[in-house]
Amino acid sequence: DAGVTQSPTHLIKTRGQHVTLRCSPISGHKSVSWYQQVLGQGPQFIFQYYEKEERGRGNFPDRFSARQFPNYSSELNVNALLLGDSALYLCASSQQGQGQPQHFGDGTRLSIL
Amino acid sequence: AQSVTQLGSHVSVSEGALVLLRCNYSSSVPPYLFWYVQYPNQGLQLLLKYTSAATLVKGINGFEAEFKKSETSFHLTKPSAHMSDAAEYFCAVSDSGTYKYIFGTGTRLKVLA
Repeated sequence: DAGVTQSPTHLIKTRGQHVTLRCSPISGHKSVSWYQQVLGQGPQFIFQYYEKEERGRGNFPDRFSARQFPNYSSELNVNALLLGDSALYLCASSQQGQGQPQHFGDGTRLSIL
Repeated sequence: AQSVTQLGSHVSVSEGALVLLRCNYSSSVPPYLFWYVQYPNQGLQLLLKYTSAATLVKGINGFEAEFKKSETSFHLTKPSAHMSDAAEYFCAVSDSGTYKYIFGTGTRLKVLA
């Protein structure tokens, strides 16, 4: 079975632009979470979606938004990009229920110039 | 608020030596605890998880972790390090009240020949 897939793998943007990152979960997983991992740090929780509804949100500005589609895939959108948004963006999927482990994709490396 | 502390951002061991990576959590209720490993340019891979079934948890690649409520710790160990264990290791916590996963800052393990 395919794991979590993310696209694109790398992306270069300039300040002020917006970006859309995409994620396809493991088949059968209905929950998708997004994380930001800055170099040298652990992943920081951005959002979790389940059945197209936002179930959790981390301490990120409103420039960050996401949605989940009927096929459980997800998009993360970031507007008005800042230099500080440069990071590895990770998507993770999990089965229903609390305490289920997150299964991660390989991420999208976003660089802001 | 929940938090996870990983003591030691860098740990070096000789090949064949014991690996001990430390993780302490703060949670008012028994949490769900996880250890993940991240190799360069990849996402995070689940090593093991604690979900209250047993205090000693065995994971993949010979790793195990022991949940100690009295010490609020969940340290990761491996009896004999292998060169392929060199990677970054993250401890994560999720409590029963939220769907957020909180990651530690990571410990980079170096294995010396």
